[in-house]
Amino acid sequence: DAKTTQPTSMDCAEGRAANLPCNHSTISGNEYVYWYRQIHSQGPQYIIHGLKNNETNEMASLIITEDRKSSTLILPHATLRDTAVYYCIASAGNNRKLIWGLGTSLAVNP
Amino acid sequence: GAVVSQHPSWVICKSGTSVKIECRSLDFQATTMFWYRQFPKQSLMLMATSNEGSKATYEQGVEKDKFLINHASLTLSTLTVTSAHPEDSSFYICSAWTGKMNTEAFFGQGTRLTVV
Repeated sequence: DAKTTQPTSMDCAEGRAANLPCNHSTISGNEYVYWYRQIHSQGPQYIIHGLKNNETNEMASLIITEDRKSSTLILPHATLRDTAVYYCIASAGNNRKLIWGLGTSLAVNP
Repeated sequence: GAVVSQHPSWVICKSGTSVKIECRSLDFQATTMFWYRQFPKQSLMLMATSNEGSKATYEQGVEKDKFLINHASLTLSTLTVTSAHPEDSSFYICSAWTGKMNTEAFFGQGTRLTVV
């Protein structure tokens, strides 16, 4: 699976949109981009995933660039409960050998 | 999303004893379950992959005789840490996957193991 690069940490004001970037310049054609988050001392929680089209669900939106070398996870109205570590993972779809990295630690401030 | 229940949430055991951790998929059948370990301020490290009814595949450096994995049904996998030592103290997390390509895996809430 391709390696991804994310900023170590980010801050966001409560109620504002949180935009979390991810670079995956070596992603191959059959690899999806997955986003998970991990709240302190809990297991990861699935957020969203996509191949090349933008995706939206009840939690977030995923914007993937046309060349697929980067993506952005958007939390439209961040709340304090969104404070967590966010992981961007490129995977060929069988969930094996997921490379987790250290993710982005998002702090939502009141 | 689908629910994966991991039990116990935390456990303290004496050095030399064994501990069993259960991972259950509550509302779907998991052909594959994954076991991870996470040390403080580090990322998740895959320990092993188990497919229902077959032997687990362990990652390099993970002792299969120490970390026994059983995946006897499509909804239950167990990890037994045998002869636990303080260095085994960690956060253990399971995830379950239906096996359908390009779908997400669902994670348990994790088990905090402390060996004293």
